[in-house]
Amino acid sequence: AQSVTQLDSQVPVFEEAPVELRCNYSSSVSVYLFWYVQYPNQGLQLLLKYLSGSTLVKGINGFEAEFNKSQTSFHLRKPSVHISDTAEYFCSLMFSGGYNKLIFGAGTRLAVHP
Amino acid sequence: EAGVTQSPTHLIKTRGQQVTLRCSPISGHTSVYWYQQALGLGLQFLLWYDEGEERNRGNFPPRFSGRQFPNYSSELNVNALELEDSALYLCASSLQDNSPLHFGNGTRLTVT
Repeated sequence: AQSVTQLDSQVPVFEEAPVELRCNYSSSVSVYLFWYVQYPNQGLQLLLKYLSGSTLVKGINGFEAEFNKSQTSFHLRKPSVHISDTAEYFCSLMFSGGYNKLIFGAGTRLAVHP
Repeated sequence: EAGVTQSPTHLIKTRGQQVTLRCSPISGHTSVYWYQQALGLGLQFLLWYDEGEERNRGNFPPRFSGRQFPNYSSELNVNALELEDSALYLCASSLQDNSPLHFGNGTRLTVT
């Protein structure tokens, strides 16, 4: 069975510090991987996606993620965070069958402090 | 381009009642997805509609149902509400299967 595990439920960090949000997945078939962000009282917004090709994926707002097949990970990174990055971040995967089988992790709450 | 719109934004219902949530996809999008985001449980896939047909449903009881209209808008109906149905219900749309999902801001349902 396919699953997504976000290893940290909460990540506190100071402004301008680097951050890494960890995501591991489990799948017996090829997968596509995504990171979404949810700001307070809003829906989810796609940050970045890995479908194929280069394992380093750059997204919006200065975020990037690296697909590591051997470690089955897709960690999200940003070299310098801002207060406005405070939000909930969701890692998700899709396997055969399209987006209707998009599986989400439990989420990581990133709290950026001044 | 108008995004995915959901209504109402907030709703309070009593246990045992029925509720209908509405979603309008982005213009041109034919697929609509419903997710439940309950506190501490992440996003759980509820239903997928495409071209007016229910294509797939998640592991939810039959009292969760819905439909998609000819204009691709969608309704989610929940009968016999239970306290644990309290959650944020998110609707998403996509141009077609395998293209990125665009989410609405959700409907916050509180069951008392």
